[in-house]
Parts: sequence; structure tokens; C-alpha cells
Amino acid sequence: GAVVSQHPSRVICKSGTSVKIECRSLDFQATTMFWYRQFPKQSLMLMATSNEGSKATYEQGVEKDKFLINHASLTLSTLTVTSAHPEDSSFYICSATGQDHYGYTFGSGTRLTVV
Amino acid sequence: DAKTTQPPSMDCAEGRAANLPCNHSTISGNEYVYWYRQIHSQGPQYIIHGLKNNETNEMASLIITEDRKSSTLILPHATLRDTAVYYCIVRVGWNDMRFGAGTRLTVKP
Repeated sequence: GAVVSQHPSRVICKSGTSVKIECRSLDFQATTMFWYRQFPKQSLMLMATSNEGSKATYEQGVEKDKFLINHASLTLSTLTVTSAHPEDSSFYICSATGQDHYGYTFGSGTRLTVV
Repeated sequence: DAKTTQPPSMDCAEGRAANLPCNHSTISGNEYVYWYRQIHSQGPQYIIHGLKNNETNEMASLIITEDRKSSTLILPHATLRDTAVYYCIVRVGWNDMRFGAGTRLTVKP
């Protein structure tokens, strides 16, 4: 089956630094990738949608300059949280879909803690 | 606006069937119903999907009403490992995948 690998699984960073999270599709070409954020005991909130080779489309209220998304290849998308603050601490999850892959496969998530 | 309504929580006895309902009264003709589940601190896991016919796989069965305004996910023999949040999602296209609050299923021994 389709596999999406997300790294790192956990990261702790200092306030003011940047953190990069990688999302890779291992056995299919991910034409579209999605990034979500999930706070404790809440549902997943869609942050942005990225199509390979195009700029990401951000949901209302998500700062594009703070959450930089790059989807330069059909197997890799990255989310960079810039100038992280404690309120950015959350569980970040990516998912991917492709032309020959119906449904969406999710990564295992990244627990970001900003101290 | 996730277009679906699910009960916030349900309990089920281990070994019994778990029936999780979902209302999607505004579903359109070309929209599929997907079910995912999320075990604590993991990414969501695909369970099953359907358009209008009932579907079954090794994990679950999906029953969709004739008018397609609601569906039920059935886990035939729930185990403790099935404790998770279950999300019913109506897919509107390649670029829209939104989650509602889901149902927190607790399987009890």
C-alpha cells in the first residue's frame, strides 16, 4: 500500500528558531500534499494544500510567511515553521495523494514543542 | 465546515459490533464518503470509502443509505485496539480534505 514518511516524529526547538518537517511519499507520486495542525483533543485543521511545482494554497488565518511550504518534487514536501513561538507547539501531520492513488495517505505526524 | 455530523463519543464492548453513524445530508452526487481513524498521537489511518453501494473490507463495512444522506461504519468485532477517533469525511475533490470533530470510540473489556 501507499506509504507516506514524515520526519522528524518529535522535535523540540527554542523560541525564535526555525524547524523543518519533511513529508515523503515512498511508493507513489504525490501530486498533491496537505499539511494539517492538531491541538490536543481537537480535530485536524487543514493549513495548506500544495501541488507539485506550484505555490501552496493556504487556509484562511494561516500565515504563509510563518509556515513555509515547498513541494518541489513528486515525492517530497516540506513545512518550515519560521521564528517558532510556544503557541506553535502542536502536532503537525501531512498527507498525500496522487493521480493513480485514490484517497489520502497520512504521515505519522510530528510533535513540535517550542520552548 | 466539514459537511458531516457525528456523535462526539461512543462506547462499545469488546467483541461486539461497533456501529458509528454519520450524517451528510448535503452530499452531492459525485462525492464519496471516506472513513478514517486516528489512534492517539498517530496520523489518521484509512478504513474504507464508498459512493452509493455498501462496501466491506478486512477492517470494516460501510452502509450508505439509499438517499446517501447518512452512513454507518461497522466494526464487526471490536477489539481494544479499535479505540480511536473515527472521522467521516465527504470528499469534494482532489484539493479539499477536511475533518470534522469525529467520534471518539472507546472499546471496553
